[in-house]
Amino acid sequence: KNEVEQSPQNLTAQEGEFITINCSYSVGISALHWLQQHPGGGIVSLFMLSSGKKKHGRLIATINIQEKHSSLHITASHPRDSAVYICAVLNYGGSQGNLIFGKGTKLSVKP
Amino acid sequence: GAGVSQTPSNKVTEKGKYVELRCDPISGHTALYWYRQSLGQGPEFLIYFQGTGAADDSGLPNDRFFAVRPEGSVSTLKIQRTERGDSAVYLCASSIGLAAYNEQFFGPGTRLTVL
Repeated sequence: KNEVEQSPQNLTAQEGEFITINCSYSVGISALHWLQQHPGGGIVSLFMLSSGKKKHGRLIATINIQEKHSSLHITASHPRDSAVYICAVLNYGGSQGNLIFGKGTKLSVKP
Repeated sequence: GAGVSQTPSNKVTEKGKYVELRCDPISGHTALYWYRQSLGQGPEFLIYFQGTGAADDSGLPNDRFFAVRPEGSVSTLKIQRTERGDSAVYLCASSIGLAAYNEQFFGPGTRLTVL
């Protein structure tokens, strides 16, 4: 079993829909990252959080430490949101650099 | 300002050859990370530098892989006797400080193909 599991693996939505991507992890963590990877490979960091909730524009990330679960929400989705969204955790007690990544959720938003 | 850059963007080599992949982090970023991403998979950790020293190299798959960062800025990932299984996108990232508290900025990656 992977230490970081994401669901769904693939997601197709219509423009304007509210989207939720889930991430569950099995290790104690000191931080969780949400990343966006566009076709062509470039990765952009969206959020880094260790508790609670963060919001940036139409993106919202939440984390529940007790349940070892995080969600990424996209409101009023747009075709330009189409990308792979990756959850990654920093293992508590591990080295400061050793991120453990999920396999990603491929999102396609249709106009 | 300039982001993380990686060269070359693509590298095709033959099995058994030696390759070097370069990463230029954002100026002033003390932490530098190397990851490898195979097709359809998430990235996997290879090695992490804090300054000039490798703070954690536990992700390097075997002794054919080696990385250096002699002056605490540019880093080079070196792969000896390449194998077809080494084909992947090699990603570099940097952060201003410890990963637990700081965003990582990723480079565009180097796509390595071993024939």
